[in-house]
Amino acid sequence: EAGVVQSPRYKIIEKKQPVAFWCNPISGHNTLYWYLQNLGQGPELLIRYENEEAVDDSQLPKDRFSAERLKGVDSTLKIQPAELGDSAVYLCASSDTRAPRVDTQYFGPGTRLTVL
Amino acid sequence: AQSVTQLDSHVSVSEGTPVLLRCNYSSSYSPSLFWYVQHPNKGLQLLLKYTSAATLVKGINGFEAEFKKSETSFHLTKPSAHMSDAAEYFCTGTASKLTFGTGTRLQVTL
Repeated sequence: EAGVVQSPRYKIIEKKQPVAFWCNPISGHNTLYWYLQNLGQGPELLIRYENEEAVDDSQLPKDRFSAERLKGVDSTLKIQPAELGDSAVYLCASSDTRAPRVDTQYFGPGTRLTVL
Repeated sequence: AQSVTQLDSHVSVSEGTPVLLRCNYSSSYSPSLFWYVQHPNKGLQLLLKYTSAATLVKGINGFEAEFKKSETSFHLTKPSAHMSDAAEYFCTGTASKLTFGTGTRLQVTL
C-alpha cells in the first residue's frame, strides 16, 4: 500500500514569492491534515479536511495561506507571499475517520521550505 | 479536552540498555494514544497506538507501551536500545485532532 505522497520534498524560494505544496493521501482515507513543523518542535495543525470540506482551519493564517481539496482526494497548500518565518517543514497526513475509534494518522515525508 | 505531556525533552542511553520515554495524559474520557518516531529529515512514523483494547500495546522495532489509567501514563519502553533508535519521539492523543508536544529526543551512545 502506498503511503502519503508529498511533493516537492525540498523548496527554496525568495521572500514574497508564492509557493505551493501537494499531497496525495493514502487511498480511501477521507480525512487529510496539513501540519507545520518548525525546527525542534512538534507538528502544529494548520488545517483538517473531511472529504472536500475544511472542518478545522482555525490555525491557518488566512492572510497568506490557502488550501484546497477540491475532489476530496489530493490537496494543495499555498503560501502567497512567503515570508522568512515560513521556513519550516510542511507535513501532510491522512486517516480514515469513518470507522469507530480508528483515527490513526499516517504522515508523508514532508516538504522542507526555505525562504531566503 | 485532552492533552499529553512528555516529561523529558532529552533522553540518553547506551546501546543495549533499556529505553524509557515518559508520557502522561489528561482526559475526562478514555483516550486514543499514539507514539510516533521521527528520524532526521523524515516524516513521522507510527510506532504504536492504544485504543482501549489491551493495555499493553506492542509496536514496531521492539517498542511497547503500557496504558495505566491509575497513573494517567502511556510510557514507551524498549528492552534494549539500538543505535538506529536515535530519533525524536512524540506522544500524542486524539479524539479528532492530534496535539503534539515538543517531543523527546533519544540519543543512543556506544
